[in-house]
Amino acid sequence: DVKVTQSSRYLVKRTGEKVFLECVQDMDHENMFWYRQDPGLGLRLIYFSYDVKMKEKGDIPEGYSVSREKKERFSLILESASTNQTSMYLCASSLEGLPGSFYNEQFFGPGTRLTVL
Amino acid sequence: AQSVTQPDIHITVSEGASLELRCNYSYGATPYLFWYVQSPGQGLQLLLKYFSGDTLVQGIKGFEAEFKRSQSSFNLRKPSVHWSDAAEYFCAVGFYGGGADGLTFGKGTHLIIQP
Repeated sequence: DVKVTQSSRYLVKRTGEKVFLECVQDMDHENMFWYRQDPGLGLRLIYFSYDVKMKEKGDIPEGYSVSREKKERFSLILESASTNQTSMYLCASSLEGLPGSFYNEQFFGPGTRLTVL
Repeated sequence: AQSVTQPDIHITVSEGASLELRCNYSYGATPYLFWYVQSPGQGLQLLLKYFSGDTLVQGIKGFEAEFKRSQSSFNLRKPSVHWSDAAEYFCAVGFYGGGADGLTFGKGTHLIIQP
């Protein structure tokens, strides 16, 4: 079974802190994604990566950055956490799809619930 | 840009009754379609997916979905729900050749099961 793990289930940080959320997948997937999930807004894509050291902005990248130094690991960084970044963060991974497509099934981690005070 | 609509934010169904969750998408290209389920405090689990072929697809936990191109819909169904089906359900859509930007998710439908 594909396994996607996230470093923390719950995290509490203070405004202005630098926050690292880590995600690791064990199935050699090319693609990795970071979403945030908020009530009534569903899942929104923050960043994704289709290869080591490659990254692309999603729909809501402002206030976030990412790092992918190894294929299995994709980190989300909040440079200076703010209260409006309190949310559930979900990491996902998928195999490389058909040429021109990245729409294979995405496998999700359990999520990190981040609270910024 | 493509969009996904799940028109029902909440649905309440009695245990043992049938269920249909609606999903509509907007775009002209050939879609890839997914339904995910999220139990409280958990990540998302894939229920089923449609890429091509038979428009009625079977998934896990007794769920099925039907792709109707003419209606741009991919509704999820289950003939008899169980209390353990109470969860959040997300429809997701991707488009071949639409760009490397992941899936587009609906806002979710919260399913409540009455005893």
